[in-house]
Amino acid sequence: QTVVTQEPSLTVSPGGTVTLTCASSTGAITSGLHPNWFQQKPGQPPRALIHHIDNRHSWTPPRFSGSLLGGKAVLTLSGAQPEDEAEYYCLLYYGDAWVFGGGTRLTVL
Amino acid sequence: QVQLQESGPGLVKPSGTLSLTCAVSGDSISTDNWWSWVRQSPGKGLEWIGEISYNGVTKYKSSLKNRVTISMDKSKNHFSLTLNSVTAADTAVYFCVRVLTDFQGFPNWGQGTLVTVSS
Repeated sequence: QTVVTQEPSLTVSPGGTVTLTCASSTGAITSGLHPNWFQQKPGQPPRALIHHIDNRHSWTPPRFSGSLLGGKAVLTLSGAQPEDEAEYYCLLYYGDAWVFGGGTRLTVL
Repeated sequence: QVQLQESGPGLVKPSGTLSLTCAVSGDSISTDNWWSWVRQSPGKGLEWIGEISYNGVTKYKSSLKNRVTISMDKSKNHFSLTLNSVTAADTAVYFCVRVLTDFQGFPNWGQGTLVTVSS
């Protein structure tokens, strides 16, 4: 079965930059896996941040950016704010099914 | 503004059937989108369950395929999830989601509903 791997936890200083990665057990992530990124805070549903690699939704702050790098999908947060402390999930498409990563707990401290 | 609202029993007995409905407002489920179900076990990550297209095509997570059905009722503008033979492992918050066509993202989520499997 396909496994999507993310860092379990990361810490970033306020105003700092952090990179979250998403890796696929099937090999390098390409545009065909249509990576999405979501932010989830406790007690809330996930909020979509990025679709198809690097496309922000209208509500996504510009400090969030998506890319592909080194065979992984990457979410970069530049200029972290206290309100960015949350769980982040990537989502990949495998032809007839979507698979979520395990999530990264991001602490802003 | 598109809104989704899950409804259904919050408690299901083991070996029973979980049935949830997602009411959609602000968009017609007959438009060219997909409509998905995602769940989250307590304290755990997100799990994609499956989805149905505007014209009734379904896709399911392979490990759930034998137990899950997603359907739609266009007259009521809602879609539904049925999961058979449930166990405690199916205890989770269930979210319904609007998925834009052409991989334009998962922009709209319901608030989620907790379903507990217990006798």
